[in-house]
Amino acid sequence: SAVISQKPSRDICQRGTSLTIQCQVDSQVTMMFWYRQQPGQSLTLIATANQGSEATYESGFVIDKFPISRPNLTFSTLTVSNMSPEDSSIYLCSVVWDRGSVYTFGSGTRLTVV
Amino acid sequence: GQSLEQPSEVTAVEGAIVQINCTYQTSGFYGLSWYQQHDGGAPTFLSYNALDGLEETGRFSSFLSRSDSYGYLLLQELQMKDSASYFCAVRDEDYGQNFVFGPGTRLSVLP
Repeated sequence: SAVISQKPSRDICQRGTSLTIQCQVDSQVTMMFWYRQQPGQSLTLIATANQGSEATYESGFVIDKFPISRPNLTFSTLTVSNMSPEDSSIYLCSVVWDRGSVYTFGSGTRLTVV
Repeated sequence: GQSLEQPSEVTAVEGAIVQINCTYQTSGFYGLSWYQQHDGGAPTFLSYNALDGLEETGRFSSFLSRSDSYGYLLLQELQMKDSASYFCAVRDEDYGQNFVFGPGTRLSVLP
């Protein structure tokens, strides 16, 4: 299985600013996923990031708000732009392995927008 | 689209057995997974069922019935550390073979 280092683990940000979250994987992976989890809720997929191509965004998420970079097979970033209190949430990156049947998640970034 | 249903909360005592059910609706079913998430932690993989039947891993077992669009997670010999949220997730061909997560079940284990 892969090990993912995600940072920052938490942050408190002012509205209108942006935060970039980083995920580093200890092995090369084709796809990385970014999820949002609001307190007490389930995980919602934001986008899928493949190396060398534009990220694929799910309904309700747009590139201008959540730009993603995937410069190589072990690293990705998610930026939460022009933040509002509604963006307060936990953001998680993940990778899939074992022929697509298992996800490993980063430790998450707990974001509070004030 | 896809939809998954789980009970929102389950409570049990140490040493007991608890079953968390998951029903799903999806057109391109590939498999059903279970994840455990402790407060403040990341989800961790528990099991994956692609075929009907029961899979056992230590104290945890997972069951799938594709014809009934139903699965469950069975936790035996409950321990306090099992208190967590449990999510079922469906792997869906119509979703790029990615997983859609259920709403989660919060399990509280009492002494």
